[in-house]
Amino acid sequence: AQTVTQSQPEMSVQEAETVTLSCTYDTSESDYYLFWYKQPPSRQMILVIRQEAYKQQNATENRFSVNFQKAAKSFSLKISDSQLGDAAMYFCAYIFSNSGYALNFGKGTSLLVTP
Amino acid sequence: SQTIHQWPATLVQPVGSPLSLECTVEGTSNPNLYWYRQAAGRGLQLLFYSVGIGQISSEVPQNLSASRPQDRQFILSSKKLLLSDSGFYLCACTPGTSGRSEQFFGPGTRLTVL
Repeated sequence: AQTVTQSQPEMSVQEAETVTLSCTYDTSESDYYLFWYKQPPSRQMILVIRQEAYKQQNATENRFSVNFQKAAKSFSLKISDSQLGDAAMYFCAYIFSNSGYALNFGKGTSLLVTP
Repeated sequence: SQTIHQWPATLVQPVGSPLSLECTVEGTSNPNLYWYRQAAGRGLQLLFYSVGIGQISSEVPQNLSASRPQDRQFILSSKKLLLSDSGFYLCACTPGTSGRSEQFFGPGTRLTVL
C-alpha cells in the first residue's frame, strides 16, 4: 500500500526563524510526484511546492524548499524566515498514478508561528 | 488558469435527507476531477475520481455517489445522509494539459449532518 506519514502533528516556530516539517512515504513506483499543500483557517488548499521524483535537484519556491531523499523516501519541507501568514496546516501528498492521479495525503502538521 | 467553483459553501442537513454538492471547473478542458472529504482534524480522503464524462471510480464504499454529466461538472450525491457524512468536502481537478502533475482545489463545502 502507498502511504504518506507526517510524524509531527504540531510544530511551532518563532517569526523570522526556520522550521522543517517531516514527511516519509512508501511506494513501489520509480517515477512520481510529491507535493506540499498549505491549508490556512479558510480551509482553501494551496499548493506550496512540487517535486518530481526523477529530478535530483531539490525544489525551491521563495522561502520554501524541500529536502528530497529518494532512497530514504523522505520529503521534508523547510520554511525560512517564517512569517505569521505561514501559520496553517501543512499536508504532504503523493500522487497516485493508478487512481486517476489522485493525491494520497498525510495527516498533516499544524504549524504555529509566534511573534 | 483554471478556477473551481463549489456550492453550497455551507450546508446543514438532517439525518436521512438527500444531498447534492456541485463542482464546476473553468479554464481547462478534459480535466480529471476528484471529490475528497476531510473529517475534523484529519487529512483528506479520496472519495471519487473521474477521468471523463460518465466515468466514475469509487475509492471508499459508502452511501455517497458521484456523477459527471458534463466535462467540467462533478456532482456528489446521497439519497440518505448519515451522521458520519459530516465533514468538509473538496472538489479538485488536474487540468487536461498539465500532464496530471498538478492538482487544484475548490473552496470546499462544509457539511453538517444533525
